[in-house]
Amino acid sequence: AQTVTQSQPEMSVQEAETVTLSCTYDTSESDYYLFWYKQPPSRQMILVIRQEAYKQQNATENRFSVNFQKAAKSFSLKISDSQLGDAAMYFCAYLLSGNTPLVFGKGTRLSVIA
Amino acid sequence: GAGVSQSPSNKVTEKGKDVELRCDPISGHTALYWYRQSLGQGLEFLIYFQGNSAPDKSGLPSDRFSAERTGGSVSTLTIQRTQQEDSAVYLCASSFTVQETQYFGPGTRLLVL
Repeated sequence: AQTVTQSQPEMSVQEAETVTLSCTYDTSESDYYLFWYKQPPSRQMILVIRQEAYKQQNATENRFSVNFQKAAKSFSLKISDSQLGDAAMYFCAYLLSGNTPLVFGKGTRLSVIA
Repeated sequence: GAGVSQSPSNKVTEKGKDVELRCDPISGHTALYWYRQSLGQGLEFLIYFQGNSAPDKSGLPSDRFSAERTGGSVSTLTIQRTQQEDSAVYLCASSFTVQETQYFGPGTRLLVL
């Protein structure tokens, strides 16, 4: 079974600084997708970024980028120029190509210090 | 356009009562998922629908849990004879197809007293 591990239960970052959230996963498959979701206190799960495993290029969305290391099964999220609104729980998730649901990590709670 | 909506936003019920949670997916999305998020836990998959069919019910924790989807749109998750351990946030997500990005609703927070 696929598993997703987020080794940092909590992280903090100064406003305007950069922070990296870690995620590793375990799979024997070669075709899959990886996601980062953000869950603020409102509990709405918001998609931050998506990466297709077959793409070597790291996905980027404005201040958010990933470092995807397929061989190492690592998928970290970098947040640049951190803002107060970035404070939230961040979940890493894996989706096997086909018809299976998302498998989530336990999450990392990010605090942004003004 | 409108996102995924869920109702009620919050539900408080007494142990032993039945509850129904509703999910309205994004228009045109054929796949619909239910997840449960318990306090301090990650997200646990419950069931998903492709159209009106539920190919994977493996995540339903007991036979007290059931779900249906009608017209390829609205889905209802029913919990019978609720127990205190059912207290959680129930999240619904939808996607255009099963291989596409899932978009989540705001969730229903269920508290069983």
